[in-house]
Amino acid sequence: GPKVLQIPSHQIIDMGQMVTLNCDPVSNHLYFYWYKQILGQQMEFLVNFYNGKVMEKSKLFKDQFSVERPDGSYFTLKIQPTALEDSAVYFCASSFLGGGEQYFGPGTRLTVL
Amino acid sequence: GEQVEQLPSILRVQEGSSASINCSYEDSASNYFPWYKQEPGENPKLIIDIRSNMERKQIQELIVLLDKKAKRFSLHITDTQPGDSAMYFCAASVNNNNAPRFGAGTKLSVKP
Repeated sequence: GPKVLQIPSHQIIDMGQMVTLNCDPVSNHLYFYWYKQILGQQMEFLVNFYNGKVMEKSKLFKDQFSVERPDGSYFTLKIQPTALEDSAVYFCASSFLGGGEQYFGPGTRLTVL
Repeated sequence: GEQVEQLPSILRVQEGSSASINCSYEDSASNYFPWYKQEPGENPKLIIDIRSNMERKQIQELIVLLDKKAKRFSLHITDTQPGDSAMYFCAASVNNNNAPRFGAGTKLSVKP
C-alpha cells in the first residue's frame, strides 16, 4: 500500500541545537501532518500543512517549530532551538483529503540531551 | 480543534472473548472517525473507519458503531486473539478542515 517515509529513524542531539526531521509523503497526497508521541502514549497533533501553508496548529507547536515543503521535496519539521521536552517520537502523516484517511510514517525518535 | 475522550486506558480480556473501546467527541461537525492499531515501536495503522453517514461498519472481527446524537463511537473486537494485543487509538475529524485528533489510547492485552 501507500507508504510514508521518514528520515532519520533516530536522532540524538544536544539541547539548544537545531534539528530537521524529514518526511516523504505519499506521492499524490495533498495534506501533511506532524504528530508527537511520548513513550507510546497519546498521539498529539502538532500541525497540518496544505498548499504551502500551515492550516492549523496546536499549542504544542511552539515558536521554535517550523514546517515547510519546498518544491515538492521533503515535508520537514524544524525545531530551533531544541529543548529537553522535545524528546519524543515524531510521526509524519499524509492524506489526499483534509481530515481524511491518513497514512503514517514509521516515526523519528528524537532524543534531546 | 476537536477533543476526543477514549476509555478504558487499559483492557485485559481472555482469548476468544470480545473487547470494546469507547470514544466520545465534542464537535458535532466531526464526520470522519478512524481507528488505529499501534504495536510497540511501530507506526499507527488504520484498521477501520466510519463516516457520519453510517451507524455501523464491520470488517471481519472489527465492528464500529457511531451514535451521532450522543457524539460517541466505539470499536468492538469479537473473538479476540493474542495478535490483537496492541495500543488502539480512536480519532475524529471534520473532512477538508481539521486534522484528526486522537484519543489517549487503549492498551489491549489478550491472554491466551
